[in-house]
Amino acid sequence: NAGVTQTPKFQVLKTGQSMTLQCAQDMNHEYMSWYRQDPGMGLRLIHYSVGAGITDQGEVPNGYNVSRSTTEDFPLRLLSAAPSQTSVYFCASSPLGQGDQPQHFGDGTRLSIL
Amino acid sequence: RKEVEQDPGPFNVPEGATVAFNCTYSNSASQSFFWYRQDCRKEPKLLMSVYSSGNEDGRFTAQLNRASQYISLLIRDSKLSDSATYLCVVNPPIIFGKGTRLHILP
Repeated sequence: NAGVTQTPKFQVLKTGQSMTLQCAQDMNHEYMSWYRQDPGMGLRLIHYSVGAGITDQGEVPNGYNVSRSTTEDFPLRLLSAAPSQTSVYFCASSPLGQGDQPQHFGDGTRLSIL
Repeated sequence: RKEVEQDPGPFNVPEGATVAFNCTYSNSASQSFFWYRQDCRKEPKLLMSVYSSGNEDGRFTAQLNRASQYISLLIRDSKLSDSATYLCVVNPPIIFGKGTRLHILP
C-alpha cells in the first residue's frame, strides 16, 4: 500500500549542481504534480501532468523541468541548483474526471542548496 | 491570479474548546473544496471534503457558502492532537491556502 513515494527524503547540493527528485505512485492516478513549500508561502505549484506525455507549468516553474513517460513516475529535475531553491518539495497525485477527488501527497523531499 | 485566503493564526485554544476557521476564495468557478491537515515537517493529509450541503465527520464540521465564496471548518471538543496547520483547497484550478496554525493548550 505504497501510495505516493518520493526519493530522496533529504538532499544537500552545492550551487550549480543538478539533480532529479523522484516521485512514483501506484494508484494509477492520471494527475500528478510537484509543489514547493516555503515558510509563510504555503504550497506553490511547480509543474503538473494530466497523463503520460503531457506536462504543464504551474505557478513557479523556472529552474525546474519535468517529464511524464509513464503513468506511475513524475520526476522533477533541477537543472542548476540555486540557494533560492532550498525548500521542501512535495509530489501529489489524484484521479481525473471523477468529480471532487483530493490529492494524495508523498512524504516530501527536504532540499538544501549551499 | 486566483486566490485562496486564510487567517494564518496561530489560534491558541484550550483543550475542549470549539474553534472555527474560515477560508475565502476568489474564483467563482471553483467546484471542489477540501480541508487538509499538515503536521510539522510532514506532508498535507486530507481531513475532509466540503460539500454544498455541509458535512460532518465526528468532531469536525465543514460548510460551504458559494454566494459569499468561503468555506469553514469547525472543530468541537478540541484535543491536543488537533494541533496542526489546516489548509483549505479549492479546485479548479487547484490552489492551496497558506494554512492556519492551531495550537491546543492543555
